[in-house]
Amino acid sequence: DTGVSQDPRHKITKRGQNVTFRCDPISEHNRLYWYRQTLGQGPEFLTYFQNEAQLEKSRLLSDRFSAERPKGSFSTLEIQRTEQGDSAMYLCASSPKYGFGSSTLTYEQYFGPGTRLTVT
Amino acid sequence: QKEVEQDPGPLSVPEGAIVSLNCTYSNSAFQYFMWYRQYSRKGPELLMYTYSSGNKEDGRFTAQVDKSSKYISLFIRDSQPSDSATYLCAMHSGAGSYQLTFGKGTKLSVIP
Repeated sequence: DTGVSQDPRHKITKRGQNVTFRCDPISEHNRLYWYRQTLGQGPEFLTYFQNEAQLEKSRLLSDRFSAERPKGSFSTLEIQRTEQGDSAMYLCASSPKYGFGSSTLTYEQYFGPGTRLTVT
Repeated sequence: QKEVEQDPGPLSVPEGAIVSLNCTYSNSAFQYFMWYRQYSRKGPELLMYTYSSGNKEDGRFTAQVDKSSKYISLFIRDSQPSDSATYLCAMHSGAGSYQLTFGKGTKLSVIP
């Protein structure tokens, strides 16, 4: 399977605990994104990496959230001191810089299956 | 007013019908437009990617962009029960920001 993979697929945790999610992008993609999606809403952007550099963060990414992408390969998203409001689907996406077989910049993003977080 | 407006539905159609899904947007900086299909409890799957006004066809799917009206559409011909899903429109300005801005999604049911 050459798509974006995420682990775990489902996480149940108690309020106040820390959780960490992992994303493995499509191998040739140097751009990686994290989004959060709640029921009945579209995904909301959290953060963006180009290779190992974190280039953009949303206001949604509070101090309790941290993301890393060491060596520009897989990425982790950690939530500290989880709150019930953190319950959501956390989606990872990746994209190439150029369209397939071209030198034209592209902005399409390919999503993984998501990690569903439930905070009790 | 949200940057991207999309009627959440639900929309129910008989098998074989032509489905029309729409989004409007307020940010004239948006230049790149995508449609995603999302099955329940799954990640969004990219269906169509366009960056110019006009139509783009791929099999039973046609994406239409009207930048002057800030309006995009996705048409599904000969709809199938397997098309039952939530359809999300997404937009990108192409410069200065790397994020996609999504609509809320329209839930579609195709009845056999």
